[in-house]
Amino acid sequence: DTAVSQTPKYLVTQMGNDKSIKCEQNLGHDTMYWYKQDSKKFLKIMFSYNNKELIINETVPNRFSPKSPDKAHLNLHINSLELGDSAVYFCASSQFSTPGQGSGYTFGSGTRLTVV
Amino acid sequence: DAKTTQPTSMDCAEGRAANLPCNHSTISGNEYVYWYRQIHSQGPQYIIHGLKNNETNEMASLIITEDRKSSTLILPHATLRDTAVYYCIVRVRETSGSRLTFGEGTQLTVNP
Repeated sequence: DTAVSQTPKYLVTQMGNDKSIKCEQNLGHDTMYWYKQDSKKFLKIMFSYNNKELIINETVPNRFSPKSPDKAHLNLHINSLELGDSAVYFCASSQFSTPGQGSGYTFGSGTRLTVV
Repeated sequence: DAKTTQPTSMDCAEGRAANLPCNHSTISGNEYVYWYRQIHSQGPQYIIHGLKNNETNEMASLIITEDRKSSTLILPHATLRDTAVYYCIVRVRETSGSRLTFGEGTQLTVNP
């Protein structure tokens, strides 16, 4: 069973279109994230949700809107796609850990978005 | 979160130990050292983390100096599948609202 699954794996679309990427985790984690990895391979956080509540919102254009219908799902909707949005988008989840426990983030396999 | 410094790239022979260094001279007392790796075209993978004691798991060992200003990730018997970018990240214990901030990492190439 895939712990963090993203769909689609590849997405090619034209400028100006609206698209969504879906993410689901079956780990029972209470926090989910979206990261963007650009062509220079830098990984940057975009959003974080804890129990369906938005807790991190980096400086991301308004065209990007995350939605968390429940704590196992975090979807990313992108309006009016631009060439610069081309990147690999990673979903991740983690558990709000208690003292003495440690758990890392679990990442999905990524969605490669190409805007043409 | 404290800044980290890692070599840009390293090579290792298959079957030998790979020792990946990380400097974090501004680390605070409540900050942990985390290691992740990213194999080409995959999502980052958690490896290990520690506060001040050395740690070992099935993937690797983490050695943290006594002053906590540097650490070394050790892959005891590197295989070709260990070729990846390795990220050293220093941050407070995972809490709601915290984040992982990735630097440039070290590209480890394991050679046959």
